[in-house]
Amino acid sequence: EAQLVESGGGSVQPGGSLRLSCAASGFTFSGTWMHWVRQAPGKGLVWVARINNNDGTTNYADSVQGRFTISRDKARNTLYLQMNSLTAEDTAVYYCTRDLIAGSGSMDVWGQGTTVTVSS
Amino acid sequence: QSALTQPASVSGSPGQSITISCTGTSADVGNYNYISWFQLHPGKAPKLMIYEVSNRPSGISNRFSGSKSGNTASLTISGLQAADEADYYCSSYTGSGTNTVVFGGGTKLTVL
Repeated sequence: EAQLVESGGGSVQPGGSLRLSCAASGFTFSGTWMHWVRQAPGKGLVWVARINNNDGTTNYADSVQGRFTISRDKARNTLYLQMNSLTAEDTAVYYCTRDLIAGSGSMDVWGQGTTVTVSS
Repeated sequence: QSALTQPASVSGSPGQSITISCTGTSADVGNYNYISWFQLHPGKAPKLMIYEVSNRPSGISNRFSGSKSGNTASLTISGLQAADEADYYCSSYTGSGTNTVVFGGGTKLTVL
């Protein structure tokens, strides 16, 4: 069974950095696209970034471009999200997801989420 | 890229059918058939209900169906059950570059 487990969330001050991890199991990690999606308290889902685990191609939302970096370690079957210059607006539950169809947004496997709180 | 437009709430009685709309533009919903629908129950991870406009993942009831016309996609739930009460989000692919995927604002479904 395909499974994703996020970790690395926590509390950080504005301007700080945090790295989220997502351990994947039960499927061929290197052959998939994966995404990070976030949900701020009381708000809706927002797409953050995606990566092609095969060749490392990445795309970002405008709101995080230049501050966040999505990456992967194929040997460890792990997805990462490096978040820098964090602001209160980045406070959210962050989910990693697997894409069923080549990065199209057809996200069929979701982790349980990890919470990031940016506050002074 | 603006979020897709969904009604804030819909409701229906058990056994009835409801439809949730998801309106985008010719740059997203109208241009691609990569439309997905997700179900969110409080405290649980989102669940893919529909992908590629109308395809159901394995294990999803055929009470859930999807369609698209022009810039608007729709999710229909027939034979409403209490367990269907949840938040529903649509998403659309927008092409490569930034903002590759866009979500709707979400719709709260209440089963009366």
